[in-house]
Amino acid sequence: DGGITQSPKYLFRKEGQNVTLSCEQNLNHDAMYWYRQDPGQGLRLIYYSQIVNDFQKGDIAEGYSVSREKKESFPLTVTSAQKNPTAFYLCASRRQGRYTFGSGTRLTVV
Amino acid sequence: QQPVQSPQAVILREGEDAVINCSSSKALYSVHWYRQKHGEAPVFLMILLKGGEQKGHEKISASFNEKKQQSSLYLTASQLSYSGTYFCGFQDTLAGGTSYGKLTFGQGTILTVHP
Repeated sequence: DGGITQSPKYLFRKEGQNVTLSCEQNLNHDAMYWYRQDPGQGLRLIYYSQIVNDFQKGDIAEGYSVSREKKESFPLTVTSAQKNPTAFYLCASRRQGRYTFGSGTRLTVV
Repeated sequence: QQPVQSPQAVILREGEDAVINCSSSKALYSVHWYRQKHGEAPVFLMILLKGGEQKGHEKISASFNEKKQQSSLYLTASQLSYSGTYFCGFQDTLAGGTSYGKLTFGQGTILTVHP
């Protein structure tokens, strides 16, 4: 079955370390997205990519970086510059308006 | 700007109805509705395009008033499985009416259905 795979499901890192969250899709979708979810704030857009080798900042891009070298993959790096990185991160892809989400990665920075 | 959803939380008994509203301060191309169970991925419910569309999905339907920049989600005869957090997502209208596909979500409405 096609879908989006995010790994790992839970991730713990020490403060000051960079960490990369994986997102892979086999849906052949061109557009991919990263959202951050915090309690009471809904989903906030970090970065998005419409095609390979191109990506755009979302509403809360500071402290994050992405790459889109392959259509299937859109990894997100949470850098040490992100002041409050502990959150639930969701990756999504889109085809004809409809978004498909991965099951998320819960990142805890201690 | 983030769409504004209301209410923030709803508690129902099985069989009762609920309405969730979503409004925007910007012109809209389309509205999306998703439901998320705790700790899981949001699941697509429906998309409504500009033009005052209304759609239905089992006992869940929605309307989109482009002029008022508002959308409402209607849940009738609620079931236990309807519990979760409901998100609306708005796509902006750009000059010329073409959407980039960037979706901005509301803060969510927590719906709890009790037996």
